[in-house]
Amino acid sequence: AVQLVESGGGLVQPGKSLKLSCSASGFTFSSYGMHWIRQAPGKGLDWVAYISSSSGTVYADAVKERFTISRDNAKNTLYLQLNSLKSEDTAIYYCARSSNNYPGGYWGQGVMVTVSS
Amino acid sequence: DIQMTQSPPSLSASLGDKVTITCQASQNINKYIAWYQQKPGKAPRQLIRYTSTLVSGTPSRFSGSGSGRDYSFSISNVESEDIASYYCLQYDNLNTFGAGTKLELK
Repeated sequence: AVQLVESGGGLVQPGKSLKLSCSASGFTFSSYGMHWIRQAPGKGLDWVAYISSSSGTVYADAVKERFTISRDNAKNTLYLQLNSLKSEDTAIYYCARSSNNYPGGYWGQGVMVTVSS
Repeated sequence: DIQMTQSPPSLSASLGDKVTITCQASQNINKYIAWYQQKPGKAPRQLIRYTSTLVSGTPSRFSGSGSGRDYSFSISNVESEDIASYYCLQYDNLNTFGAGTKLELK
């Protein structure tokens, strides 16, 4: 069965960095694009970034220049490097497998990132 | 960037009612819209892709329609398990979610 498990979240001070991981299993990871989506507490869903199977990347304007999506196909793992963190980056971060360039039917359980001093 | 205006923000329905949620895109999105259901504390679940195609496992009481900039999502015969938040997502140009609609029981 397809499984996506995020890790690496936690409490971080404004301006600092954090790296999230998403471990994938149950499918050929290298064949699929992957997304990161976030959800601030009590708010709606916010698409963050996408990486194609060939490692092409696109970002939402709000995180461009600060966040970097990457993948390690040998480790079946997706990453999101979060730099220069702001309080408004506080959210649950989900990874999702792509289906025709959008988050399809497989999502992780999410990992919480809290940016606070 | 494409903006998605979703309405209403909240909806109150009785069991058995039909409810409709709309999403309007800031430009033509060529039917590239998906709909998701999210229950508290859970990851979203995809229900519909490409405007009206139900994904595997989606009950037939859910439906979608639309074209151009205007799209709608309906639940006929609301059941208690449908109480959740619903989101549209355009994927014609990058991805943009609507703000969401919270469906509650009247």
